[in-house]
Amino acid sequence: EAGVTQFPSHSVIEKGQTVTLRCDPISGHDNLYWYRRVMGKEIKFLLHFVKESKQDESGMPNNRFLAERTGGTYSTLKVQPAELEDSGVYFCASSAWRTSTDTQYFGPGTRLTVL
Amino acid sequence: AQSVTQLDSQVPVFEEAPVELRCNYSSSVSVYLFWYVQYPNQGLQLLLKYLSGSTLVKGINGFEAEFNKSQTSFHLRKPSVHISDTAEYFCAVIGTGNNDMRFGAGTRLTVKP
Repeated sequence: EAGVTQFPSHSVIEKGQTVTLRCDPISGHDNLYWYRRVMGKEIKFLLHFVKESKQDESGMPNNRFLAERTGGTYSTLKVQPAELEDSGVYFCASSAWRTSTDTQYFGPGTRLTVL
Repeated sequence: AQSVTQLDSQVPVFEEAPVELRCNYSSSVSVYLFWYVQYPNQGLQLLLKYLSGSTLVKGINGFEAEFNKSQTSFHLRKPSVHISDTAEYFCAVIGTGNNDMRFGAGTRLTVKP
């Protein structure tokens, strides 16, 4: 069974540009999460999809970030325009059940560098 | 809201020595606790989780953790580490009724020969 995949693995862009990160969850997983880790700090929750609906987007830092999950399969996270402080590693995770106890399976992350 | 503190950012240890990675949490509600490991260039992998019941939880790769409610701790231990255990370890907490997982800042374990 394929795990959670993320694309690209690395992205280097200039301030003001747009970047789109993609996450493919484990097949059949209705729950999809985005997290971000700024260098050396804790991994922070950004948002949670249940199928195509945003269940919780309380962690999204500002309106430059837009997450979508059309059709309830893969998800994209767009940053527009990117700022220096957006640099970090963006993780995606998925889980089968909508319960706190269900294991979240993580992808390898996308390392975003904004110059 | 919940929060997690990992008390050591880096832990160097020699091969075959025991190791303890410390984790303390704060929460006004009951919690579920997790330890994840991230090997270089890989995603986070679940080591173990505490949901309820026995406070001593055994995970993969010989790791175990003990939930201590009075001390609000969930320290990770392994009696004898291997070079392959070199990785970054994350403690995480979810408050009951939430799906918002809160992580600590991570502990980088380096096992030396």
